[in-house]
Amino acid sequence: KQEVTQIPAALSVPEGENLVLNCSFTDSAIYNLQWFRQDPGKGLTSLLLIQSSQREQTSGRLNASLDKSSGRSTLYIAASQPGDSATYLCASNYNTDKLIFGTGTRLQVFP
Amino acid sequence: NAGVTQTPKFQVLKTGQSMTLQCAQDMNHNSMYWYRQDPGMGLRLIYYSASEGTTDKGEVPNGYNVSRLNKREFSLRLESAAPSQTSVYFCASSGLQGTSFYEQYFGPGTRLTVT
Repeated sequence: KQEVTQIPAALSVPEGENLVLNCSFTDSAIYNLQWFRQDPGKGLTSLLLIQSSQREQTSGRLNASLDKSSGRSTLYIAASQPGDSATYLCASNYNTDKLIFGTGTRLQVFP
Repeated sequence: NAGVTQTPKFQVLKTGQSMTLQCAQDMNHNSMYWYRQDPGMGLRLIYYSASEGTTDKGEVPNGYNVSRLNKREFSLRLESAAPSQTSVYFCASSGLQGTSFYEQYFGPGTRLTVT
């Protein structure tokens, strides 16, 4: 069964820290992996999409990597800010339109 | 360019009542989706539509029906609401944009409570 796991479920860090969020998937035949941000009471905002042929993608202070052989993706957030506080979700895609979601990591960055 | 829009934002139903959730996208995407999000369960796919005129069941389709009215609109209907359908419902769409295959874009959600 294709599953996606995100650890930790929650994370609290002081402002300014660099941090890493982890995402693991069981099926290495992944087509692409997408990272989302969800603010409380809001919808999902797409942050980064990494295709299987890529190793990483960057957008501003965010960097996402993909290692198919180990079944892992990481989202690196540099110089965290209180505005980064949100739930971060990863989702895998296996060459179909459907995504398989993890349950998310709830991040709190305190001043 | 509004992206993906959903109506209503909030709804309270009594057990047995019916309602339709509306979704529209203005990005000319072929594929559209309905998800539900429950605490501790993550997002689960209810139904999806790969193109106008086609619909397929997702992981949790029981108790729901869908209609792909045209390329822009995809509605979700609860025929006889049950308390187990209390959830947040998200609509999403995807298509080819440059080299971003199947990148999904989400609406703001509908918060449904069934009493």
